[in-house]
Amino acid sequence: DVKVTQSSRYLVKRTGEKVFLECVQDMDHENMFWYRQDPGLGLRLIYFSYDVKMKEKGDIPEGYSVSREKKERFSLILESASTNQTSMYLCASSFQRTLLRTQYFGPGTRLLVL
Amino acid sequence: DQQVKQNSPSLSVQEGRISILNCDYTNSMFDYFLWYKKYPAEGPTFLISISSIKDKNEDGRFTVFLNKSAKHLSLHIVPSQPGDSAVYFCAASGDTGGFKTIFGAGTRLFVKA
Repeated sequence: DVKVTQSSRYLVKRTGEKVFLECVQDMDHENMFWYRQDPGLGLRLIYFSYDVKMKEKGDIPEGYSVSREKKERFSLILESASTNQTSMYLCASSFQRTLLRTQYFGPGTRLLVL
Repeated sequence: DQQVKQNSPSLSVQEGRISILNCDYTNSMFDYFLWYKKYPAEGPTFLISISSIKDKNEDGRFTVFLNKSAKHLSLHIVPSQPGDSAVYFCAASGDTGGFKTIFGAGTRLFVKA
């Protein structure tokens, strides 16, 4: 069974704090993704990574950065949290081969920025 | 610019009846389509997919239909069960620059017992 875990289920932070969200997958997937889910907007891609040390901007990267030092781990960083970053954050992973595009998601981290 | 649209935010169906969830897309480069199901407080889970070379794919109670000329796909659930109550996301991917997957806004399905 594919397992994607996220470091926290719920997080409350103050405006201006630096926030780290961590994601770990155990299926040796090359691709990893960070999304945020907001009502009426679906899942929007923040950043993704095809390989260790590699990162690509998604559709809404502003205010975020990422780190992938090891294949199994992909971290999302909010450099200075703001209230509009209150959201559900979802990590996902998948194989790189183009025919296998199913993504496996973690349980999500619900972040509240006060 | 929403490339994948799910125009119905919610759908209510009686148990035992058919649920039909619809999805439209705009980018003709999409060649692979997926449906994910999401329960509250959980991540989305893969449900069923279809390649653009097919027009139908069936898996148990779930069938996905693809109409490429209309750029439209639908998910049929027959018979619907209360446990199917969840948010369903339509997703599409293709050679649009990195094979990113684009998700729709989701449709919340309520199956009434």
